[in-house]
Amino acid sequence: GAVVSQHPSWVICKSGTSVKIECRSLDFQATTMFWYRQFPKQSLMLMATSNEGSKATYEQGVEKDKFLINHASLTLSTLTVTSAHPEDSSFYICSAPPVDGYEQYFGPGTRLTVT
Amino acid sequence: QKEVEQNSGPLSVPEGAIASLNCTYSDRGSQSFFWYRQYSGKSPELIMSIYSNGDKEDGRFTAQLNKASQYVSLLIRDSQPSDSATYLCAVNLGTGGTSYGKLTFGQGTILTVHP
Repeated sequence: GAVVSQHPSWVICKSGTSVKIECRSLDFQATTMFWYRQFPKQSLMLMATSNEGSKATYEQGVEKDKFLINHASLTLSTLTVTSAHPEDSSFYICSAPPVDGYEQYFGPGTRLTVT
Repeated sequence: QKEVEQNSGPLSVPEGAIASLNCTYSDRGSQSFFWYRQYSGKSPELIMSIYSNGDKEDGRFTAQLNKASQYVSLLIRDSQPSDSATYLCAVNLGTGGTSYGKLTFGQGTILTVHP
């Protein structure tokens, strides 16, 4: 199957700082990538759709100025959590379907803890 | 009504038994259906995808799709303790366009296989 990586796998930051999370498709190209957030004992919630070369599309209730997404190439999307607060602590996961496929492959996730 | 709904859990089966996981979805125009397995603290792993009515088998796993009833299921034969995880049903609601690749997840069913 296709491989998606994320970096970092975990991060601890202080309240008010910004954190950048990278999502890479290692062996395929992805014009679209998706960012999810998962709180303990809950299912995945889609935050936004990252589109290569254009603006991201955010789901209702997700602050686009707080969660900045950049899809710089066909293999890289980044999510920056700006002015992080403790309530932003969560498991952030990206996924990507290959350009010629429908199946989505997930990265290993990034666990963010804001103190 | 939730867009994607899974049968309530948790589900507990003895080793060697068949585990049956069920999922219903709201949008009759949905075309792509997926089952993911998620171990605690890890990101989802794709197990099965199914696009046409009927059964699709892969090893010990069988996915069943009934578009008329808006129902998709996953059967796990000869269940093993290593199958213990949360199983997520995901549906690509709609017929494409701006919803292409966008998955909506059910709340997940926790499966425990006891020796």
